[in-house]
Amino acid sequence: EVQLVESGGGLVKPGGSLRLSCATSGFTFSSYIMNWVRQAPGKGLEWVSSISSSSSYIYYADSVKGRFTISRDNAKNSLYLQMNSLRAEDTAVYYCARDYCTGGSCNLFDSWGQGILVTVSS
Amino acid sequence: EIVLTQSPGTLSLSPGERATLSCRASQSVNNDYLAWYQQKPGQAPRLLMYSASARATGIPNRFSGSGSGTDFTLIIYGLEPEDFAVYYCQQYGDSPTFGQGTKVEIK
Repeated sequence: EVQLVESGGGLVKPGGSLRLSCATSGFTFSSYIMNWVRQAPGKGLEWVSSISSSSSYIYYADSVKGRFTISRDNAKNSLYLQMNSLRAEDTAVYYCARDYCTGGSCNLFDSWGQGILVTVSS
Repeated sequence: EIVLTQSPGTLSLSPGERATLSCRASQSVNNDYLAWYQQKPGQAPRLLMYSASARATGIPNRFSGSGSGTDFTLIIYGLEPEDFAVYYCQQYGDSPTFGQGTKVEIK
């Protein structure tokens, strides 16, 4: 069974930092592109970042570029998101999501973690 | 960035009825790379459809997707109690973006 479990969320002040982790099991982690997707309270979904299987290709949404850093450790089957210079508008549930590539395209999300809440407030 | 607009915002229906959800893109979606997700309160989204009309693994055939270019539709035939949820469309032909969601609620 595919499992993704996020951790590391919590309350942080504006301008602060936080590091999210996503521990995975049940699939060959090193073979998959991985993503972070977030959802502000009561709002819709927003893709945040993706990282290729070997970390060679990394992409960010404009809203987090220069502040967030995605990384992975294939030996530990884990995905990370380092979040710096946090703003109130970064408050959201952050989901770790496995990428599904089909028909020549990726950035489709076929497995999700349960999500972790990040609250940015003074 | 491709902006996806979903309509209606809320659909009030009874079990057994048909739900028709719309997703319109601000520009043509490459190769009709359009997906639909279902999200229930307190849960993560679940992939329902991809490539506009292909059902994901384990999704019942009462869910049907169609459309191309800029206009896409998700139809749920014969709503079951477990289908009442929020539905999001997503394009993945470009940097991925989501619609704002359509809530299907019990009338």
